[in-house]
Amino acid sequence: GEDVEQSLFLSVREGDSSVINCTYTDSSSTYLYWYKQEPGAGLQLLTYIFSNMDMKQDQRLTVLLNKKDKHLSLRIADTQTGDSAIYFCAELGYGGATNKLIFGTGTLLAVQP
Amino acid sequence: DAGVTQSPTHLIKTRGQQVTLRCSPKSGHDTVSWYQQALGQGPQFIFQYYEEEERQRGNFPDRFSGHQFPNYSSELNVNALLLGDSALYLCASSLKGFEQYFGPGTRLTVT
Repeated sequence: GEDVEQSLFLSVREGDSSVINCTYTDSSSTYLYWYKQEPGAGLQLLTYIFSNMDMKQDQRLTVLLNKKDKHLSLRIADTQTGDSAIYFCAELGYGGATNKLIFGTGTLLAVQP
Repeated sequence: DAGVTQSPTHLIKTRGQQVTLRCSPKSGHDTVSWYQQALGQGPQFIFQYYEEEERQRGNFPDRFSGHQFPNYSSELNVNALLLGDSALYLCASSLKGFEQYFGPGTRLTVT
């Protein structure tokens, strides 16, 4: 079945690192994504990782993928108040015409000054 | 380079009415996907259009229909609106469906 799970809320202090976790169920997923959504706005693509990779780093963002446990995480270094938002992980199905994104329910990141 | 644009921004309709939402993809993109995001939820896939055809459909009734034009822009139509159709409707564009970039969304309220 298709299901993506995330914890609902994370609170950190400005300057600390944030780690947002996600578990997915479709082992055939080829790509896994992280999106950011600010209040009243659409989704901003932050980064993604291909399923044959373990880690991807992009400036302050580090994505870790554990395929065995179907676990994905997003680490934000030196978290700023502007990082406060809802973060969604999403998986993309494999092959053919299966290009729909399956989203988790989102993690609200609150950054305290 | 303009990103994904959607219109209108907000819309208020009455139960039973019909609505049309519009989306223009990023330059160079050929695939448009539509998602419904209810309050407090993650987006749910409605359908995807490529080469003017519906390529895949999520678990939505036939009241939801769409179209893609030769210039790759797309419309989402919803007939016989229900209160439960109130949501943020998001359009995402991509090249063949992989890196999907989202527009700002259309907030639909059904009263």
